[in-house]
Amino acid sequence: GAGVSQSPSNKVTEKGKDVELRCDPISGHTALYWYRQSLGQGLEFLIYFQGNSAPDKSGLPSDRFSAERTGGSVSTLTIQRTQQEDSAVYLCASSAYRGKYYEQYFGPGTRLTVT
Amino acid sequence: ELKVEQNPLFLSMQEGKNYTIYCNYSTTSDRLYWYRQDPGKSLESLFVLLSNGAVKQEGRLMASLDTKARLSTLHITAAVHDLSATYFCAVDMWDNYGQNFVFGPGTRLSVLP
Repeated sequence: GAGVSQSPSNKVTEKGKDVELRCDPISGHTALYWYRQSLGQGLEFLIYFQGNSAPDKSGLPSDRFSAERTGGSVSTLTIQRTQQEDSAVYLCASSAYRGKYYEQYFGPGTRLTVT
Repeated sequence: ELKVEQNPLFLSMQEGKNYTIYCNYSTTSDRLYWYRQDPGKSLESLFVLLSNGAVKQEGRLMASLDTKARLSTLHITAAVHDLSATYFCAVDMWDNYGQNFVFGPGTRLSVLP
């Protein structure tokens, strides 16, 4: 079946521009997560959605970052006034409950380069 | 604050050798995840360990969990080049806001012929 998809796969933008990153989770997965992975680094948790609700936005790096999810499905991560330090791979995952744990399925990521 | 550590961070080993990657975490949890990431690719789930003493094996990889020591190990037996990748462990936690996965920094494994 279809996995988690993300678009665009690559985005090059100029400093100061706004960008929108999109995530299409696996159908039926109620939980959705955004992570940021800087070059050669681990994963930084950004935000978690249960349905359309994100109870805790404190993981977002600054107020230039925002995320929403509509219809319990597609999610967008928006970065306003991009800075060079925003350059990273942004990964989205959705999860299915397996009785005792949530199994995450990751998308291929969006590589963001801010010039 | 939950912290997850791994060591080593970099591992270069020869084919046919055995080695262990260690994952320590700072707060009580009985769910520990291992993922693999190939260069330029996304993460792939390897193992989920759900209780103290849990052991899972797939091919040349075996993962175990000691919840009392807050330690998980990923053991590699007779390494082959195809195992070259970065391996992450992760712990999930729930608080008043919902679920949060915390990942270790990753262990970059390079298996040399």
